[in-house]
Amino acid sequence: EVQLVESGGGLVQPGGSLRLSCAASGFTFSTYAMNWVRQAPGKGLEWLSYINGGSSVIYYADSVRGRFTISRDNAKNSLYLQMNSLRDEDTAVYYCARDCGDSYANDYWGQGTLVTVSS
Amino acid sequence: DIQMTQSPSSLSASIGDRVTITCRASQGISNYLVWYQQKPGKVPKLLIYAASTLQSGVPSRFSGSGSGTDFTLTISSLQPEDVATYYCQMYNSALITFGQGTRLEIK
Repeated sequence: EVQLVESGGGLVQPGGSLRLSCAASGFTFSTYAMNWVRQAPGKGLEWLSYINGGSSVIYYADSVRGRFTISRDNAKNSLYLQMNSLRDEDTAVYYCARDCGDSYANDYWGQGTLVTVSS
Repeated sequence: DIQMTQSPSSLSASIGDRVTITCRASQGISNYLVWYQQKPGKVPKLLIYAASTLQSGVPSRFSGSGSGTDFTLTISSLQPEDVATYYCQMYNSALITFGQGTRLEIK
C-alpha cells in the first residue's frame, strides 16, 4: 500500500525557517517524481515544487523560488522541503504527492502537515 | 506566464443532472491537463489525467475531454457523493498550475 506521511510542520515566526519531510512507503520511491502542494485555510490548491526521481530535474513556483528548496534521499525513501524566509502567506497545509508519470498528475497524496507563520 | 481559468467557481445541480466544468489555458498545453476531486476535510483525489484518461477506480460517470487550450470535466449523472470541489491542473514550461476550483453542491 502506498503511503506518504508528512512531518515537520508547526508554528514559526515570520522570517523563520522550517524543514518538512515526507516519508514514502509501499512503492519504489526512486522511480517516481514527487511534488509539494499547499492549501491555505479555506483556499485552493497551490503547486510549489517538483523533483524527478534522480533529482536532476527540479521546478519551483514563482511564489517560492529562491526561498524554498526541494530535495530527496532515495536511500531513506524521503522527500524534503526546506522553507526559508517564511511569510504570513505561507500559512497552509503542505502536502507531498506522488507523480504518476503521466501529464504531471499526482496519484497519491499524504495527509498534509500544517505550517503556521505568525508572530 | 500561462494563465488557467476554471469555471464556474461554484455550481448547484440536481441528482441525475449532467454537470460540466471547464478549464481554459491562455496558451496551448497539449494534453497536460489533470482533474482532481477534493471532498471537505479530505485530500485531493486524482480523477482524470492526460485530459481524458480515467484514473483506475474512478466511476465511469466522470469523463474528461479537450486538447490545446480548452478542457472539460463532465459528470454524466450527478450523485450525492459527488459533492466536492473540483480542480484542474496544467503543466507548461516547468510550471504546474491549479485552477481556482469549482465548488459543486446538490440543489
